[in-house]
Amino acid sequence: SQQGEEDPQALSIQEGENATMNCSYKTSINNLQWYRQNSGRGLVHLILIRSNEREKHSGRLRVTLDTSKKSSSLLITASRAADTASYFCATAPWAGGGNKLTFGTGTQLKVEL
Amino acid sequence: DAGVTQSPTHLIKTRGQQVTLRCSPISGHKSVSWYQQVLGQGPQFIFQYYEKEERGRGNFPDRFSARQFPNYSSELNVNALLLGDSALYLCASSRGVEGHGYTFGSGTRLTVV
Repeated sequence: SQQGEEDPQALSIQEGENATMNCSYKTSINNLQWYRQNSGRGLVHLILIRSNEREKHSGRLRVTLDTSKKSSSLLITASRAADTASYFCATAPWAGGGNKLTFGTGTQLKVEL
Repeated sequence: DAGVTQSPTHLIKTRGQQVTLRCSPISGHKSVSWYQQVLGQGPQFIFQYYEKEERGRGNFPDRFSARQFPNYSSELNVNALLLGDSALYLCASSRGVEGHGYTFGSGTRLTVV
């Protein structure tokens, strides 16, 4: 079963604009990860944020985590056409639970020229 | 360094048949996990292996089995194939058993007819 939901399900923006995707989950976590998937192929790991962190940056990516609301957001600044892909959040259980990731339903991002 | 490699890339099988999917992790990665992704959904966890031992199993029937070899490569076996087993099967490797992001392979697309 899916852990949570991404919102929105689909997002269409112009190149240069910022894109924000949200993720909600249901159970306590060890960490939360964001992945990108192009054309239904393999997923690419973007960023991992631990449960004791509130914000993390990587290049044009900014991720926030609010464990009290069980939610996370991914911000992509200055979007490019190459950012067009599906984006998934995935949660990892508490320590001792292995790396069994539970993925959300994904946000399809389209960046138009 | 080569990434995570999966074989074959595409496969067509008939209902009732058996299939074996193969995965080679990144050099130095001792954990291999398998995920099933049905079209339009996020990946779902099937198995995790670490140091040749099963460290997690998802909610899949006993028709699904896996193993990890001394060189950390892995095989996923599915017996008595059903139409509903048609999906993209993703292998992912990581250094440790938890707390790390995954590197995914490009997947094996299985079609059951």
